[in-house]
Amino acid sequence: SQTIHQWPATLVQPVGSPLSLECTVEGTSNPNLYWYRQAAGRGLQLLFYSVGIGQISSEVPQNLSASRPQDRQFILSSKKLLLSDSGFYLCAWNPGTSGSYEQYFGPGTRLTVT
Amino acid sequence: AQKVTQAQTEISVVEKEDVTLDCVYETRDTTYYLFWYKQPPSGELVFLIRRNSFDEQNEISGRYSWNFQKSTSSFNFTITASQVVDSAVYFCALSEETDSWGKLQFGAGTQVVVTP
Repeated sequence: SQTIHQWPATLVQPVGSPLSLECTVEGTSNPNLYWYRQAAGRGLQLLFYSVGIGQISSEVPQNLSASRPQDRQFILSSKKLLLSDSGFYLCAWNPGTSGSYEQYFGPGTRLTVT
Repeated sequence: AQKVTQAQTEISVVEKEDVTLDCVYETRDTTYYLFWYKQPPSGELVFLIRRNSFDEQNEISGRYSWNFQKSTSSFNFTITASQVVDSAVYFCALSEETDSWGKLQFGAGTQVVVTP
């Protein structure tokens, strides 16, 4: 069966520090991968998605970047964190290339920028 | 523009009451997919159901049921005989066939509070 992991689970970082959040998926090949952010107030915002190694699409301009160095690894990064980067970051995957597949989410990383 | 609207911010019920969550969507695609997710206090989003635009048959799974009506662009979710464990935020989401790579557009979510 497939599983998705995220780490760390929680993170407190000062403004201006770098960030690296990792997501890995097990039990599948060539998944589509997604990064979402959920700010206080519940809304889910799609940040990045990837359909293959090295292929990253950005949904919104921001202080963050994403990379996919391996088939089942998706990394969210920042060189210098802003206060507004605080939030709950969720990674998700699905097996298909069309909208017909549901996405499965990881446990999330709660980031607080101080 | 918001393509998925969940007008109810929060719903509070007493255990064993039924609760219906509204979801209205907007799309020009003839083929699209609708989803419901549950987010308990732990934070992880749990997939509940997917519905295809060409299948309007309603579905029941245990205490959960879904009413899909294309005529009103709605995909409502009912929890029958609610339990405290149903307390969570519930999200409705849309994926359009013309929007590549299965991106989901989420509604703002509805917080359900079930008290004993």
